[in-house]
Amino acid sequence: GENVEQHPSTLSVQEGDSAVIKCTYSDSASNYFPWYKQELGKRPQLIIDIRSNVGEKKDQRIAVTLNKTAKHFSLHITETQPEDSAVYFCAASAPGDKIIFGKGTRLHILP
Amino acid sequence: DAGITQSPRYKITETGRQVTLMCHQTWSHSYMFWYRQDLGHGLRLIYYSAAADITDKGEVPDGYVVSRSKTENFPLTLESATRSQTSVYFCASTPLRDRDGYTFGSGTRLTVV
Repeated sequence: GENVEQHPSTLSVQEGDSAVIKCTYSDSASNYFPWYKQELGKRPQLIIDIRSNVGEKKDQRIAVTLNKTAKHFSLHITETQPEDSAVYFCAASAPGDKIIFGKGTRLHILP
Repeated sequence: DAGITQSPRYKITETGRQVTLMCHQTWSHSYMFWYRQDLGHGLRLIYYSAAADITDKGEVPDGYVVSRSKTENFPLTLESATRSQTSVYFCASTPLRDRDGYTFGSGTRLTVV
């Protein structure tokens, strides 16, 4: 079945710098890749997603890139702010109408 | 996001007891999912449902039972709770597979003692 690996597990960046989180997936048939942000004690919330027919997608300070050949996709956050501190999850679609999540990256924005 | 609600918010139960976690959504979304969240494991899929009366196993289904007699409800039952089932449980829904991201409920923190 689908397996999603996410790195790093923890990331600390200075406020204003960029953060990059990387994921790989195993099922070449996967065609939908969402990213979720989870603040402490709250539910995961969708922040951006990308489909397999697109290589890059941007939404203000957030961008996601997809390399289907290498089965890699990444989340880029520019000009990081304190409110970006959270756990971020990547995910990939899997056979049978389901989505499989990576283990998460805890992002700390340092003042 | 008030359209998907989970209850109870917190639950403490004893080993061996049966416990049911409730999930209700008001959007008539076709797809509903149950995940458990544990430190170091992220979100793992327990069971999911594509429509009323259609359910299927996820990554970690053992020890859990689900049903979906109505589109809006998707209860998760732990038939005989074990300490390893101590976790935060999230329900989620989406109208169409791969068309929209999931909307998650606020979660149920379950402790098995």
